[in-house]
Parts: sequence; structure tokens; C-alpha cells
Amino acid sequence: VQLAESGGGLVQPGGSLRLSCGASGFTFRSYWMSWVRQAPGKGLEWVANINREGTEEKYVDSVKGRFTISRDNARNSLSLRMNNLRVEDTAVYYCAREFLGVGATFDYWGQGILVTVSS
Amino acid sequence: EILMTQSPATLSVSRGERVTLSCWASQSVSSNLAWYQQKPGQAPRLLIYGASTRATEIPARFSGSGSGTEFTLTISSLQSEDFAVYFCQQYNNGPPWTFGQGTKVEIK
Repeated sequence: VQLAESGGGLVQPGGSLRLSCGASGFTFRSYWMSWVRQAPGKGLEWVANINREGTEEKYVDSVKGRFTISRDNARNSLSLRMNNLRVEDTAVYYCAREFLGVGATFDYWGQGILVTVSS
Repeated sequence: EILMTQSPATLSVSRGERVTLSCWASQSVSSNLAWYQQKPGQAPRLLIYGASTRATEIPARFSGSGSGTEFTLTISSLQSEDFAVYFCQQYNNGPPWTFGQGTKVEIK
């Protein structure tokens, strides 16, 4: 199982960024997927998840209306579109696979990608 | 939203010692509790799910217990590679799925 994030970087407050996560080594379409973030020196925060078919999405309140999670099962790819970014969105963003049959716990993680929101 | 609280924030221990980390939930999460280990510069690694079931390839020195609102992660004999930050996470009530703030296990 491998998960690899891309698309991070420096963006100004109010700007937008799109993160991608490429998946390999497992049947991507069979798993719920999540994004989890970690601000510098801080703990973990679940951000969003999406069901197997890409028809159901859930978000933490702080990103609702600003972030959109999506997936392309044909390309084994997960995305996170982030709009109207705030300084407090600065974090390492992890793509994570949800443990099949267990629930919203995460058995595989990508290496993470840094998003910095600063003027 | 369920608040997860971990104690202590930092634990200074010697190799070979038995270590006990605590995690409390602001309301019952049944046994839907996971533990993760995170080393500097790395992604978290799942250690325990279902409060007490070890994940794949996790050594037997790691064990979890508890249910409801009180949970414990025990490392029976601390090894060099176990110095890290440990997070608990509930997946019973959500979203959001919430994590504790972490316990850092450092060398004494």
C-alpha cells in the first residue's frame, strides 16, 4: 500500500490550492478515504472523508464551505480542493485510508504535504 | 464533538521500563478507540484499534485496554524505537473523528 500526496506549497490568505493523493497497492475503490492535517508542532485533526463511490462527503466544521474532497476511482486518486485559505489552515496534510470494516480509523497514511498560508 | 484528553503530555522513561499512557473521552465511545505512534518527520502509524486489537505487525509489547471513556496504552518494556508521540483517536461519534493532543515519550 502506498499513498503519495502532492500539490502543497505557499499560498496567500484567501488563496486556493488543490492537493492530490495517488494510491497504489490496494483496490482504491473499495475504501473510504480521509484527509487529516497537523499544524506545526501540534496534534492531528481529521479534515474530511469520502465514501467509496465518491457520493458522500463529510467535513470538520472549520473547513465546511471552503474545502471539497473528491476522488477518481479510475485513476486511483484522491483530491482536496481548498479555497479561501486562512493562516490557521497551515499544516501538513495527510491522505489516509480508512480501515476496512472497522470505521473511521486510519491504517495507512501518506508521507504528508506541507501547506503554508502566509502573506 | 467528543473531546479526547491524554495524560501526561510528556513522559520521561528509561529503556526497558513499563509505560502506561492514558486517554479519556468526554463521553462514551464504546470500544471505538485507536492509538497511533508518530516519530519526528513521519506519518502516524496505527498501533491499536477497537481499544485493544493490535494492528498488523505491531509488536506484542504494545497493548490497549479500556472502554467507554477511559483507555490505556501500555508498552511492556520500552525499546529505543518506541520513543515517539502517541495519539488516541475516537471513531464512535462523528464526524468529526477526534484525536487527543498526544503524549510524548522521551528518553530519561
